[in-house]
Amino acid sequence: NAGVTQTPKFQVLKTGQSMTLQCAQDMNHEYMSWYRQDPGMGLRLIHYSVGAGITDQGEVPNGYNVSRSTTEDFPLRLLSAAPSQTSVYFCASSPTGDASGPQHFGDGTRLSIL
Amino acid sequence: SQQGEEDPQALSIQEGENATMNCSYKTSINNLQWYRQNSGRGLVHLILIRSNEREKHSGRLRVTLDTSKKSSSLLITASRAADTASYFCATEASNYQLIWGAGTKLIIKP
Repeated sequence: NAGVTQTPKFQVLKTGQSMTLQCAQDMNHEYMSWYRQDPGMGLRLIHYSVGAGITDQGEVPNGYNVSRSTTEDFPLRLLSAAPSQTSVYFCASSPTGDASGPQHFGDGTRLSIL
Repeated sequence: SQQGEEDPQALSIQEGENATMNCSYKTSINNLQWYRQNSGRGLVHLILIRSNEREKHSGRLRVTLDTSKKSSSLLITASRAADTASYFCATEASNYQLIWGAGTKLIIKP
């Protein structure tokens, strides 16, 4: 049981490039979410999903897209990378199907945009 | 917007001492969660306390909740070097969205 797995762990992009951050969980959790973590700030929700085929925006969705074709996978796409998107990105899942219960986190992707 | 705000921002204590950190929030909640984050790792869930609970224990951790003051505290007793980490509180903005504080960075000195 690997939990929540994020790849890659580190990535450097140039402004304007696109990329996909991968997130997979093997716990059959319906609820999954993406956060960004910036120094001195709490986690901010980017997008979330309550099940396959269902996604919705969080607090800071601009510049990011998500899809949820399977229960296990919830990739995050940066459409055209900007320096302001330099951050650490965390994926999380929850067994309760919503945000009310304990969240299981991956170890993050550290992304730098030059 | 930040619902939960931790206090202090940083705390440095000697091993064996108790560590207390606080979280304040702005709107009514169903529950409040505490998490730990070790350097370079993801967050790990510690305790969830519901709005109708006043105190909850888990090993060396004790969480209190005062809904009248919209505040919660996390007490770590008999601290160890392994407790060095950042600690975050989270509350629900809606059924599907959590709002997080900026965290308290705890350093345990040997």
